[in-house]
Amino acid sequence: QQQVKQSPQSLIVQKGGISIINCAYENTAFDYFPWYQQFPGKGPALLIAIRPDVSEKKEGRFTISFNKSAKQFSLHIMDSQPGDSATYFCAALTDSWGKLQFGAGTQVVVTP
Amino acid sequence: EAGVTQSPTHLIKTRGQQATLRCSPISGHTSVYWYQQALGLGLQFLLWYDEGEERNRGNFPPRFSGRQFPNYSSELNVNALELEDSALYLCASSLVGRGYTGELFFGEGSRLTVL
Repeated sequence: QQQVKQSPQSLIVQKGGISIINCAYENTAFDYFPWYQQFPGKGPALLIAIRPDVSEKKEGRFTISFNKSAKQFSLHIMDSQPGDSATYFCAALTDSWGKLQFGAGTQVVVTP
Repeated sequence: EAGVTQSPTHLIKTRGQQATLRCSPISGHTSVYWYQQALGLGLQFLLWYDEGEERNRGNFPPRFSGRQFPNYSSELNVNALELEDSALYLCASSLVGRGYTGELFFGEGSRLTVL
């Protein structure tokens, strides 16, 4: 049972374009929503995270948009670069569980 | 500062055998998490250890087990291996026991292949 549903499964974008990845969750107890980035042969690494008391968070070219009422959040990668080619995972956490629930991942390919 | 280290990098076993995977957390981290990354299924939570105790367990059969040692390193054991156990097993550590910050520091994983 996937607690966090992520789409699309894969994404191809041209250099300079915008990559958008969407996630949805059911459990309203989730109170922390991080995004992880994974390069081939490496473990995932934290990219950016948001809490439900804000609707948007921006760090450089990466922005999280959060819609609490719709139980959805998304990652926007602006001015996508070939170095952004990786697999991106959204995740959700509730403190009482002490574990991150991950989405299935989105493979992003940025073409030159 | 050394990151999370895992061994072995690759492991090949046959069905029915047992596999043991090892993880050393970042120095000072007391919590260790194990995740299974199978193709197309994202990261599935397996186990969480903190201060030597199992704190939480994912939806996996009992043949998946582990432990955490006094130095906070951990090992994951998979008994009676099945073909579908073939996956990348990722270990992560965190500074805060309940992982509340959400920032887990992952190792590069152990690739288990079951033939």
